[in-house]
Amino acid sequence: AIRMTQSPSSLSASTGDRVTITCRASQGISSYLAWYQQKPGKAPKLLIYAASTLQSGVPSRFSGSGSGTDFTLTISCLQSEDFATYYCQQYYSYPITFGQGTRLEIK
Amino acid sequence: QVQLVESGGGVVQPGGSLRLSCAASGFTFSSYGMHWVRQAPGKGLEWVAFIRYDGSNKYYADSVKGRFTISRDNSKNTLYLQMNSLRAEDTAVYYCAKDLAGSDAFDIWGQGTMVTVSS
Repeated sequence: AIRMTQSPSSLSASTGDRVTITCRASQGISSYLAWYQQKPGKAPKLLIYAASTLQSGVPSRFSGSGSGTDFTLTISCLQSEDFATYYCQQYYSYPITFGQGTRLEIK
Repeated sequence: QVQLVESGGGVVQPGGSLRLSCAASGFTFSSYGMHWVRQAPGKGLEWVAFIRYDGSNKYYADSVKGRFTISRDNSKNTLYLQMNSLRAEDTAVYYCAKDLAGSDAFDIWGQGTMVTVSS
């Protein structure tokens, strides 16, 4: 199985900050990568797919980049509603695997 | 609106069985692959199983292979997960999720149903 490793595991930031979360795959996955946001008690929400394509309805302050093994999710100007846990997911091959999550907290 | 609603969760003893259902509405269910994803309390997301739009292909996580069976009834717009030989480590919220067209990213998720395996 392809292992997905996110860093950092947790992150403290303030509204208005720019933050970057990284995700590394244990082998090349081309651009078959998605990012999700999850708030407590809620289902995950798709933010980005194909490494850099913004899902419909997602604010443009979210962006994704990368291909192969190294990927990033950037939030350009943090809003209060962005404090949540973020997961990367590879769908290059089965079994589909997720990163362990990055918890974004208010500083 | 596009919606997935899970049901069937509950408390079951180790070794027991449970069948989860996921009712789909607001989209052409028979055109999309579907998945089950679970999340143990306080833990991350774990993909469980996939079924192709027509039921012809199925894939499973190693942790559930041989114990869980994914199926669908396109005439009822419903996805299922039959869970047998349940273990304590199967305790989790179970989500059904829809494939984004042309990819295995998950664009629509249900609200989740809790499964607790405990004596």
